[in-house]
Amino acid sequence: GENVEQHPSTLSVQEGDSAVIKCTYSDSASNYFPWYKQELGKGPQLIIDIRSNVGEKKDQRIAVTLNKTAKHFSLHITETQPEDSAVYFCAASIRAQKLVFGQGTRLTINP
Amino acid sequence: SAVISQKPSRDICQRGTSLTIQCQVDSQVTMMFWYRQQPGQSLTLIATANQGSEATYESGFVIDKFPISRPNLTFSTLTVSNMSPEDSSIYLCSVRDRAEAFFGQGTRLTVV
Repeated sequence: GENVEQHPSTLSVQEGDSAVIKCTYSDSASNYFPWYKQELGKGPQLIIDIRSNVGEKKDQRIAVTLNKTAKHFSLHITETQPEDSAVYFCAASIRAQKLVFGQGTRLTINP
Repeated sequence: SAVISQKPSRDICQRGTSLTIQCQVDSQVTMMFWYRQQPGQSLTLIATANQGSEATYESGFVIDKFPISRPNLTFSTLTVSNMSPEDSSIYLCSVRDRAEAFFGQGTRLTVV
């Protein structure tokens, strides 16, 4: 079955700098790759996603890139702010089936 | 996006007892899922809740321990049976609306 690896497990950046989180997946049939942000005491919130027919997608300060050949995708957050501090999860799925999650990255933005 | 209401938000239970968690969605959805998130860990899929039929369980999860109901396209329950301290986790309901998947706020369960 699908396996998703996520790195790093923790990331600390200065406010205003950029943060990058990377994931790799194992099943070349996977075609949907969402990213979730989870704040303390809350459920995961979908922040951006990308489908396999697209190489890059941006939404304001957040972007996701996908390399199907290498089977990896990345989350990029620019101009980081203290409210970006949270745990971020990547996931992968085949068509509309179950999501398989990465291990999570605890992002801390230092003022 | 679908709005998901999950109840209770938290509970403290005695070992050996059972707890039923409810998940209500504000619109009809095809796919509903139940996840477990152990402290400081990622999300692990327990089962897919199928409307009108038995749930589909992932490896390591069994119906006797985690019975699931889904009587219609907007509601599902997960029961954690005969609880032990190892069942202390956050339990999350999720729905899939086309490609996007959304999560409830979760139920934080502590077993003492």
